[in-house]
Amino acid sequence: VQLVESGGGLAQPGGSLRLSCAASGFTFSNYAMHWVRQAPGKGLESVSGISTNGGSTYYANSVKGRFTISRDNSRNTLYLQMGSLRAEDMAVYYCARDPAYCSSTSCYYFYMDVWGKGTTVTVSS
Amino acid sequence: EIVLTQSPGTLSLSPGERATLSCRASQSVSSSYLAWYQQNPGQAPRLLIYGASNRATGIPDRFSGSGSGTDFTLTISRLEPEDFAVYYCQQYGSSLSFGQGTRLEIK
Repeated sequence: VQLVESGGGLAQPGGSLRLSCAASGFTFSNYAMHWVRQAPGKGLESVSGISTNGGSTYYANSVKGRFTISRDNSRNTLYLQMGSLRAEDMAVYYCARDPAYCSSTSCYYFYMDVWGKGTTVTVSS
Repeated sequence: EIVLTQSPGTLSLSPGERATLSCRASQSVSSSYLAWYQQNPGQAPRLLIYGASNRATGIPDRFSGSGSGTDFTLTISRLEPEDFAVYYCQQYGSSLSFGQGTRLEIK
């Protein structure tokens, strides 16, 4: 069971980045997924989550309207499209698996039982 | 939104001692939907406990969770050197939220 994030790097304020998370060792389509971030020296913040079939998503208020989560179950991959980046978005971004209860249109999220090692996003001019 | 407050902020103990970490919620957490995570420096968090008291796969039995309603506790019965880390609680009874963390350091 493994999650591997990629796509982090340096972006300018107002710029964009697309993060990816490749899953292996389990049936990806059976699990909800999250992006959780951790700013330097700070705690954990749940940024966004997506249901098993992608039909239900949530976003933290801090990123609503700027970030978009999606998934491709045929490629076992989770994505986070990040736009209008700000200095406060600078963090390590983790993807995490959730054995949530999801219907076709909604999802009851639980806890995060598998985490990737993270990818670092730096926002600076 | 349920706000989780962890205490103490830092706990200084010696190997072999017992650690008790607290997580208090601003309102009742339904069905004891509370999890605990451990994070070592430079590493990703690791799930320890879910459903307030259920150990995750592979977690040693020196870790135990208890509590309900608004008050939850993570207990480490006999501290091992690898247990000195930061611990976070997370509730999933109403949306999701994390506590700010407790740092467990070697005395």
